[in-house]
Amino acid sequence: GQSLEQPSEVTAVEGAIVQINCTYQTSGFYGLSWYQQHDGGAPTFLSYNGLDGLEETGRFSSFLSRSDSYGYLLLQELQMKDSASYFCAVNRDDKIIFGKGTRLHILP
Amino acid sequence: KAGVTQTPRYLIKTRGQQVTLSCSPISGHRSVSWYQQTPGQGLQFLFEYFSETQRNKGNFPGRFSGRQFSNSRSEMNVSTLELGDSALYLCASVQGQNSYEQYFGPGTRLTVT
Repeated sequence: GQSLEQPSEVTAVEGAIVQINCTYQTSGFYGLSWYQQHDGGAPTFLSYNGLDGLEETGRFSSFLSRSDSYGYLLLQELQMKDSASYFCAVNRDDKIIFGKGTRLHILP
Repeated sequence: KAGVTQTPRYLIKTRGQQVTLSCSPISGHRSVSWYQQTPGQGLQFLFEYFSETQRNKGNFPGRFSGRQFSNSRSEMNVSTLELGDSALYLCASVQGQNSYEQYFGPGTRLTVT
């Protein structure tokens, strides 16, 4: 079968660093994506890992380990506007499968 | 460049009715995917169209169907609506056939009563 697991909720403090993990089990895998969705908004693309290792985009970084079927999204210098849901998504050869999302709460 | 647009934004229907939702992708994007988003299930893939052909389909009943026109605009139809079909329906477009970056529209909020 196929599945993605990510925590349902994570809480962190403004200015801190938070890591959102994602483990997957799927066939036909060729990459892992991350999307951000604010309440009432549409998902927006954050990053993509097609190869093992770390990809950095400003305050956000994403990591992939194919051998461990594991990835994570790292958010640094958290700001209140980062309060949102974050989805990992497996890019397969036929479609993209999304996890159920992690709700990130940021405390002042 | 204009983003992905979806119409209508909100819709209320009665159980047993049918509904058609529309999606216009970003200009130049030829692939459109549809997703159903509910609080309990997250984003679930419905189907994908590329150059007017359905390339992939998710695990939804036949009541859910779609099509794509020559200008890449896409529609999805749900017949014989059920209460459980209440959800946010999102469409996303990508530039190339195997691009990984999807651009989502604002969604259509469907409520079935």
